[in-house]
Amino acid sequence: NAGVTQTPKFQVLKTGQSMTLQCAQDMNHNSMYWYRQDPGMGLRLIYYSASEGTTDKGEVPNGYNVSRLNKREFSLRLESAAPSQTSVYFCASSELVSTDTQYFGPGTRLTVL
Amino acid sequence: DAKTTQPPSMDCAEGRAANLPCNHSTISGNEYVYWYRQIHSQGPQYIIHGLKNNETNEMASLIITEDRKSSTLILPHATLRDTAVYYCIVRVGNGGFKTIFGAGTRLFVKA
Repeated sequence: NAGVTQTPKFQVLKTGQSMTLQCAQDMNHNSMYWYRQDPGMGLRLIYYSASEGTTDKGEVPNGYNVSRLNKREFSLRLESAAPSQTSVYFCASSELVSTDTQYFGPGTRLTVL
Repeated sequence: DAKTTQPPSMDCAEGRAANLPCNHSTISGNEYVYWYRQIHSQGPQYIIHGLKNNETNEMASLIITEDRKSSTLILPHATLRDTAVYYCIVRVGNGGFKTIFGAGTRLFVKA
């Protein structure tokens, strides 16, 4: 039981390049989330998926797209990376989107030059 | 959703109780109080949550005031491994979703 896994752990991009961050959970959770954390700051919600087949914008969705591939997997795509997207990205999951606790992955450290 | 206010940092001696306060004066009746912590650069870890009553689990205790405008997370016997950033969050409990992580409290447990 690995919980929430994220790939890659580290990534360096040049401005304008695209990439997809992968997230998978093995807890049979319905809801999944993507956050970003800038240095010295709290986490900010980018997108979330309350259940398979649905996605919704969070606090800071601009510049990102997401895909809930199946119940296990939730990917985050940067179509044209910008230096402002340099951050640590965390994926999380929970059984339900309402009151359940969230379980976080180890994060992906992204640098955009 | 209600906003929360926490002190930016606190110190605690190893073996002592760490009491971390949180103000959420605009909390609504259906909003739960959640606590998470983030050790170094790891992903946040759930600690405890509650609505009205005090709660206790193997990690901590949560004391919520009667008017629900503030709460305190208690780590009964802090260890060096409890050094982390602690986040107090309020979430709507009846559908709808918006979790807002503020800057949290950086707890330093000292030997």
